[in-house]
Amino acid sequence: AIQMTQSPSSLSASVGDRVTITCRASQGIRNDLGWYQQKPGKAPKLLIYAASSLPSGVPSRFSGSGSGTDFTLTISSLQPEDFATYYCLQDYNYPLTFGGGTKVEIK
Amino acid sequence: QVQLQESAPGLVKPSETLSLTCTVSGGSINGYYWNWIRQPPGKGLEWIGYVYFSGSTNYSPSLKSRVTISVDTSMNYFSLRLSSVTAADTAVYYCARGSPYSSSQFDFWGRGTLVTVSS
Repeated sequence: AIQMTQSPSSLSASVGDRVTITCRASQGIRNDLGWYQQKPGKAPKLLIYAASSLPSGVPSRFSGSGSGTDFTLTISSLQPEDFATYYCLQDYNYPLTFGGGTKVEIK
Repeated sequence: QVQLQESAPGLVKPSETLSLTCTVSGGSINGYYWNWIRQPPGKGLEWIGYVYFSGSTNYSPSLKSRVTISVDTSMNYFSLRLSSVTAADTAVYYCARGSPYSSSQFDFWGRGTLVTVSS
């Protein structure tokens, strides 16, 4: 199975900050990667698919980049509602595998 | 708006079989991949497997020997059965739809149901 390694595992940031989270795959996965946001007690929400595409309704402050093995989720200006845990998910092959998560906390 | 709702068995005894259903409303089961994902308390997400509306399936190798996922298109629901459960299977179980953008990314999720394995 492809291993997905996220970093950092947690970070502290302030409202308005630019935040970057990375995800590294144990082998090349083209651009077959998604990003999810999960708030406590809630189901994850899809933010990005195909490494850089936003589903309708996702704010434009979220962006994704990368291909092959290295990927990035960027929040351009952190908002109060963005404090959550973020996960990457590779869908290059089965079994689908998630990264370990990055918790974004208030500084 | 598509909505997914997991059934809620709550407590399952060790060695028994966990059974969950996910009812889909506001849209059709036809044409999509339907997935189960779980999350142990305080931990990360694990994909369990999918069933396509046609009935074809794919399971995580780590669970394959114990998992069955099935679909009922006439009733618009799909199901998960996990046999021989242990405490390690205690988790919040989510059902989710494969998105039309990318069939193995998930655009609609159920709220999740906590299943506790304990005697």
